[in-house]
Amino acid sequence: NFMLTQPHSVSESPGKTVTISCTRSSGSIASNYVQWYQQRPGSSPTTVIYEDNQRPSGVPDRFSGSIDSSSNSASLTISGLKTEDEADYYCQSYDSTWVFGGGTKLTVL
Amino acid sequence: QVQLQESGPGLVKPSQTLSLTCTVSGGSISSGGYYWSWIRQHPGKGLEWIGYIYYSGSTYYNPSLKSRVTISVDTSKNQFSLKLSSVTAADTAVYYCARGAGGAVDYWGQGTLVTVSS
Repeated sequence: NFMLTQPHSVSESPGKTVTISCTRSSGSIASNYVQWYQQRPGSSPTTVIYEDNQRPSGVPDRFSGSIDSSSNSASLTISGLKTEDEADYYCQSYDSTWVFGGGTKLTVL
Repeated sequence: QVQLQESGPGLVKPSQTLSLTCTVSGGSISSGGYYWSWIRQHPGKGLEWIGYIYYSGSTYYNPSLKSRVTISVDTSKNQFSLKLSSVTAADTAVYYCARGAGGAVDYWGQGTLVTVSS
């Protein structure tokens, strides 16, 4: 099986842009879709990106996803940061099993 | 709108079996193409996939938990269930049920905290 590695934390100022990476340990990042989930304290996760770069309805276009085969990683980019974006973000992919990244705490200060 | 709701004991004794049920509303659990899943989150930690049951009845489990996990479905009640045997304090976590579409979760339950303690 494979692992997904994320930075433990990132921080940025309101209005700025932040990118969170998710690196796959083995196998190609392009072989299975990557999803991104947002989890605010005390709440269930919600999907912000699915199938590498698709946004569910209701998710603002400030959120975007991409994959980079050269670094075997996926990225979540949030532009025009708002204080409400402060949360934990998890990447997730799969083969026959599902795998979550360890999560990244985003601080907007 | 699909909704999922977990239910079950909030306290389980060590060595016993943890049993949780997820009730699905707003859609049929027999609908094709969905993965009815369990995911847990240890206090202050990340998400851990436990396993899922496909609408066809096939099950897939996290290899690290496979020997202790059973996921089943009751279509007559529109529910699916989790059993985790021989629990220890390390199984204390918030347990989420979820619906998977493709390889992604599209609906989550609110989660239920299960504490393993004597």
